[in-house]
Amino acid sequence: QVQVVESGGGLVKPGGSLRLSCAASGFSLSDYYMSWFRQAPGKGLEWVSYISSGSGYTHYTDSVKGRFTISRDNAKNSLYLQMNSLRAEDTAIYHCARARRALAAADAFDIWGRGTMVTVSA
Amino acid sequence: DIQMTQSPSSLSASVGDRVTITCRASQDISTYLNWYQQKPGKAPRLLIYGASSLQTGAPSRFSGSGSGTDFTLTISTLQPQDFATYYCQQCSAVPLTFGGGTTLVIK
Repeated sequence: QVQVVESGGGLVKPGGSLRLSCAASGFSLSDYYMSWFRQAPGKGLEWVSYISSGSGYTHYTDSVKGRFTISRDNAKNSLYLQMNSLRAEDTAIYHCARARRALAAADAFDIWGRGTMVTVSA
Repeated sequence: DIQMTQSPSSLSASVGDRVTITCRASQDISTYLNWYQQKPGKAPRLLIYGASSLQTGAPSRFSGSGSGTDFTLTISTLQPQDFATYYCQQCSAVPLTFGGGTTLVIK
């Protein structure tokens, strides 16, 4: 079954760090663009970052540049989001998602996880 | 950044109605426009990609149209399971951006 499952969320103090994981099954993660999205409580969807298939180049939304790092481990078929210098405004459910087409630029995301909650609070 | 504006933000309708949601991009995005459905506590679900292509498994009562800056999502005959929040998203350029969402509620 093709699916992704996130883990690693929790409560962290402002300025702290957290590493999110996304375990993929039913497909080879390295063949697809993979992305992190987030949704603050009661708010809409926001794109955070993606990593390309193949060479693995990365892009980030401006508000997380220099603080978050996306990466993948092909052997473990897993995606990660290292989050440093966390702020209250980073509080959200973080979803991992797979691009629709293998070995092609991301034109849509068809497989989403249910997400993991990150709460940044003193 | 490309701004995506959805309207209405909330829509009240009845089972069996035909409903249309609109999405406008702040610049030309060709047909790099997707529609997602999200229910409370659930992951988003891709319905329409490339402005008008129905995602595998999505019901045929959903359709999309448009190109450039103006797009629509139409549900031909509302079913009880369609009451949810709908988001448009552009994949023309980073940062990828979403509309603010349209919440479809039962009248």
